[in-house]
Amino acid sequence: AQSVSQHNHHVILSEAASLELGCNYSYGGTVNLFWYVQYPGQHLQLLLKYFSGDPLVKGIKGFEAEFIKSKFSFNLRKPSVQWSDTAEYFCAVNARGAQKLVFGQGTRLTINP
Amino acid sequence: EAQVTQNPRYLITVTGKKLTVTCSQNMNHEYMSWYRQDPGLGLRQIYYSMNVEVTDKGDVPEGYKVSRKEKRNFPLILESPSPNQTSLYFCASSFGGQSWADTQYFGPGTRLTVL
Repeated sequence: AQSVSQHNHHVILSEAASLELGCNYSYGGTVNLFWYVQYPGQHLQLLLKYFSGDPLVKGIKGFEAEFIKSKFSFNLRKPSVQWSDTAEYFCAVNARGAQKLVFGQGTRLTINP
Repeated sequence: EAQVTQNPRYLITVTGKKLTVTCSQNMNHEYMSWYRQDPGLGLRQIYYSMNVEVTDKGDVPEGYKVSRKEKRNFPLILESPSPNQTSLYFCASSFGGQSWADTQYFGPGTRLTVL
């Protein structure tokens, strides 16, 4: 069965710091990968996605993620965070051809001004 | 405005009292899904539907039922709620795009407490 692991449960950074949130999945086949974000009081929304092609994908608000197939990882990065990036971030994996989307536990990100 | 709506947004109920959480989308999406979100566990899929009259179990279907009689609606039914179903519930829909999993649109969530 697929599983997704997000190593960091709560990350606290200062504004302008660089961010990297880890995401690892367990599935040997082809996958579709997603990062979703939940800002306080708002709906979950898609940050970025990977289906195929360039393993470095860019999303909204300056976020990017790199798919490293050999490491089963899809880490989220941002070079310089802002206070408005305070939110909960979820990594999600869909095995190609399956009808399930499996989410990680989520990482709460707090940015101090 | 393209959106997924859920009702009610908050509900406190008692063990055993049947309840329904409604979900509706106005984007003509074929795929709809229900998730529950619990601290430290992320979102877990309860049920999903690929189209009208086509539903299937997700990872945590026990204690829940769904129906998909119309494309826009996908209600979640708890026939006999129990305290372990206290959670935050999200409905989502997607058009499909490169795959059905492409770009899920989430509702605002329903916070359910079962006493």
